[in-house]
Amino acid sequence: AQTVTQSQPEMSVQEAETVTLSCTYDTSENNYYLFWYKQPPSRQMILVIRQEAYKQQNATENRFSVNFQKAAKSFSLKISDSQLGDTAMYFCASRKTSYDKVIFGPGTSLSVIP
Amino acid sequence: DAGVIQSPRHEVTEMGQEVTLRCKPISGHDYLFWYRQTMMRGLELLIYFNNNVPIDDSGMPEDRFSAKMPNASFSTLKIQPSEPRDSAVYFCASSLWGFGSSPLHFGNGTRLTVT
Repeated sequence: AQTVTQSQPEMSVQEAETVTLSCTYDTSENNYYLFWYKQPPSRQMILVIRQEAYKQQNATENRFSVNFQKAAKSFSLKISDSQLGDTAMYFCASRKTSYDKVIFGPGTSLSVIP
Repeated sequence: DAGVIQSPRHEVTEMGQEVTLRCKPISGHDYLFWYRQTMMRGLELLIYFNNNVPIDDSGMPEDRFSAKMPNASFSTLKIQPSEPRDSAVYFCASSLWGFGSSPLHFGNGTRLTVT
């Protein structure tokens, strides 16, 4: 079965500091797709960043970057220069193939402290 | 683009009543998902459709739940009869089929409270 694990239920970081959220997944596929979503208190689900497994280069989006370790099946999210608006639940998600469902991890609640 | 539109935003109903949640996906998206979010179970996939056809409904909790997609621009999730344990936020999301990196675009969700 396709599973996504996030081992940190809650985290906090000082404003302007850097924080890394962990995610591991289980799949037998060679080409698959990984995502990080953010859910602020408004409950809207917002895509943060995505990674195709066949790409070796780690994806980056402004202050957000990932550390994709394919052999270890690890997909961590690094947030640099944390801002108060980054306070949210963060969900890691995976899709086995282009024609498959998207499965989410349990989430990590991140608090940015002024 | 208006994004994925869900209605209602909030629904409060009494146990035993029928509840219908509605979703309009993004035009051109041929992949539609229904998720349920609770504190205890997180984001659970209930069912998903491709080109209006249900592909996997293994996440539907029981026969009280049903979902339909009569056309490319509309889907419903129905609970009949509703129970207090169905209280949750229900999300609809759409995406492009066949493009693995195509992200899910979520609606704002419907918060259902069953008393």
